[in-house]
Amino acid sequence: KNEVEQSPQNLTAQEGEFITINCSYSVGISALHWLQQHPGGGIVSLFMLSSGKKKHGRLIATINIQEKHSSLHITASHPRDSAVYICAVIPDSNYQLIWGAGTKLIIKP
Amino acid sequence: DAGVIQSPRHEVTEMGQEVTLRCKPISGHNSLFWYRQTMMRGLELLIYFNNNVPIDDSGMPEDRFSAKMPNASFSTLKIQPSEPRDSAVYFCASSRFMDYEQYFGPGTRLTVT
Repeated sequence: KNEVEQSPQNLTAQEGEFITINCSYSVGISALHWLQQHPGGGIVSLFMLSSGKKKHGRLIATINIQEKHSSLHITASHPRDSAVYICAVIPDSNYQLIWGAGTKLIIKP
Repeated sequence: DAGVIQSPRHEVTEMGQEVTLRCKPISGHNSLFWYRQTMMRGLELLIYFNNNVPIDDSGMPEDRFSAKMPNASFSTLKIQPSEPRDSAVYFCASSRFMDYEQYFGPGTRLTVT
């Protein structure tokens, strides 16, 4: 079993829909990282959080440390949000990120 | 700030040749990470440095791979000799400290024929 599980693996939605991507992990962590990788390949850091909730524009990330679960939400989704969204955790035992497999999101106009 | 800079962006080389990938981290960042991304294995951490010192190189696949960080503003990842299975996108990332948010470079797409 992977230490970081993301769901769904693939998600196709219509423009304007509210999107939720989930991340569950099985190790103790010091922080969790959400990243975005566009079809061109570049990786962009979206959020790093260790508790509660963060918001940036139309993106919201939440984490529940007790339940070992995080969600990434996109409000009013747009085709330019189409990308792979990756969840990665920093275990509290070392500094090496443990990566989820990613969620491929396609937003249709 | 220019962000993390990697060069070259694309490299095509023949099997057996030496390949050197370069990375300039964000100024003021103390930690630097080298990753490899392939379709089969996703993102893999190869090695990371803190204050120019290699902390963990257990992800380096073979002795053919080596990495150096001679100063705070420059790191190299070298593959000698290169093999077709080394074909991948290699990312460099930096962060202020090891457990802080990592900022990624644009990657180097390596093709070994």
